[in-house]
Order: sequence, then C-alpha cells, then structure tokens
Amino acid sequence: GAVVSQHPSRVICKSGTSVKIECRSLDFQATTMFWYRQFPKQSLMLMATSNEGSKATYEQGVEKDKFLINHASLTLSTLTVTSAHPEDSSFYICSARTSGGADTGELFFGEGSRLTVL
Amino acid sequence: EDQVTQSPEALRLQEGESSSLNCSYTVSGLRGLFWYRQDPGKGPEFLFTLYSAGEEKEKERLKATLTKKESFLHITAPKPEDSATYLCAVRFSGGYNKLIFGAGTRLAVHP
Repeated sequence: GAVVSQHPSRVICKSGTSVKIECRSLDFQATTMFWYRQFPKQSLMLMATSNEGSKATYEQGVEKDKFLINHASLTLSTLTVTSAHPEDSSFYICSARTSGGADTGELFFGEGSRLTVL
Repeated sequence: EDQVTQSPEALRLQEGESSSLNCSYTVSGLRGLFWYRQDPGKGPEFLFTLYSAGEEKEKERLKATLTKKESFLHITAPKPEDSATYLCAVRFSGGYNKLIFGAGTRLAVHP
C-alpha cells in the first residue's frame, strides 16, 4: 500500500511552547490530507482536512488558531500545536488519500506522533 | 446523525477459535466502508474497503463482508499475532472523503 510518513514519532515539550508535526506522502501525491487525534483506548477523531494550496477545513470544536495546518505541497502537510498545554497531550495521526475521483481512493495513515506536554 | 458502532468492545479468543467482529453504521449515502488494524502506539494499517452490499474481501485469515446496515470482519483460526484493535470507518456522500470511525474492537488472541 501507499506510504505515509510522520515525524516526529514522539515529542515532549514544555507548556507554552509550539510543536510542529510533519506528514509526508512518500510514493504518491496527496491533494488532501487529514489530521486525527486519538486519546487512549478511544477511536480517531477528525480534527481537520488539509487541502494543498488552500486553507484547511476544521471540524466543529477544533480551534484553528491553536492547531495550525499548512499543506505546502502535494506531498507535505504540517500540523503545528501552538502554545501547547498538558491537555493537548495526545496521539496525532495524519492520513492521505491516493488519487481517484470524488469519494474514491484509499486512505492510508501515518505512524502517528505522540505529543506529551509537561 | 451519521454514526458507526462497533461490537464487541473487546474480545478474547484462544488461538484457532474463529469469531466475527461487527460494525453497524447509519450514514446517508455510503461511499465506502473501511477496516483498519491498529497496533498500540501505531497508526492504522489499511485492511479492506467495501463499497456495496453483498461485497466480500479476504486477506489471509480475515474476511470482510458488507450489508446495507453493517459489516462483519470474520477471523478464521486466529493466531496471537492477530491481536490488535480493529477499526471500522465509513465514508459518506457529501463527506468529502472524511472518515467516521467506530470506537474499535480490541482483540486478544491467546496461545
């Protein structure tokens, strides 16, 4: 299957600092990428949809000023958690869709990034 | 409201003991039902996509089926390495490729 890479896999930061997580599609171009958040023993909750060359679309309840998303190219999307606080500690996962028409194509996920805010 | 419900929440099997996991959904205009496997601390690994009722797909010991209201993931003669959380997700018309995930079934296979 298609390969999606996330970096870093683990990050620990102090409260108040900002953290950037990268998501790359390694062997395909992704016009759309998705960012999810997962709490322990819970399922994935969609945070936002990242579109190459345009603003991200955020789900209800997700603070766009806190979770900055940039989709700079067809293979790279970044999520920046600004002024992180302990409650932002979570497992963040990105996914990318392989090419296809509307409502088609497979969605592949990155390995996830574990953020711990002290 | 669009919703995906998985059952059971957790399942413990003996090696070789076949079973099925359930995913029921209520969405308007299904555009694909996905099964993923997730190991602890890892991202979901794609297993199957089903698009229409009656469709079936197989991969090694796993077989996924789909009806108009639910999907089953059948595990035949499981091995300890099949232990993982199995996630079901649906894509729906007007959802712009977003997936709605179920809470998952945590499967533990013991030798």
